Amino acid sequence: NAGVMQNPRHLVRRRGQEARLRCSPMKGHSHVYWYRQLPEEGLKFMVYLQKENIIDESGMPKERFSAEFPKEGPSILRIQQVVRGDSAAYFCASLRRLNEKLFFGSGTQLSVL
Amino acid sequence: LAKTTQPISMDSYEGQEVNITCSHNNIATNDYITWYQQFPSQGPRFIIQGYKTKVTNEVASLFIPADRKSSTLSLPRVSLSDTAVYYCLVGDNGSNSGYALNFGKGTSLLVTP
Repeated sequence: NAGVMQNPRHLVRRRGQEARLRCSPMKGHSHVYWYRQLPEEGLKFMVYLQKENIIDESGMPKERFSAEFPKEGPSILRIQQVVRGDSAAYFCASLRRLNEKLFFGSGTQLSVL
Repeated sequence: LAKTTQPISMDSYEGQEVNITCSHNNIATNDYITWYQQFPSQGPRFIIQGYKTKVTNEVASLFIPADRKSSTLSLPRVSLSDTAVYYCLVGDNGSNSGYALNFGKGTSLLVTP
């Protein structure tokens, strides 16, 4: 049973470009969380999704950021017109049911030049 | 959501027992207490979860007093490979208190020979 898969592992973008981060949850998991982590900081909640639905996006910036978790395929975190401040590690986590433990992927390190 | 307070850092020698305490004074009735471990450039990994009293698994113990306003993660006989950041997470990722689960800055544990 493969773990949570995130790709790419590293992503380099120039200012103004788009970044797409992918997350395939563990088999049987229909809940996905996205987090952002800056160096020496904790993980900041961004968005929580269930299949085809955004349940809580209170931690996601209102502009340029969007997330989806389609019926088929991975969850996608999309950042449009990236700026240097978007440089961070982005982690996704999946879980089978609420209040169960989170399983994290290895993250995507986004660098904006 | 319950706010947590942990020591920023701790040092220990190999073979010692390490206890990391987390304060969560405004923990809610439905909240669980969960601890995660994170190594550099990796996503956090679940260690242990509890609601009250004591929980023990193969890697750690979790002590929760009756008032549940704090919890202590106990790592028996630490090794160099236990050097990591440890996060205390308190929440009920269900509709009662919202789904946003934020990790604080955690406790950076350094184990030396």
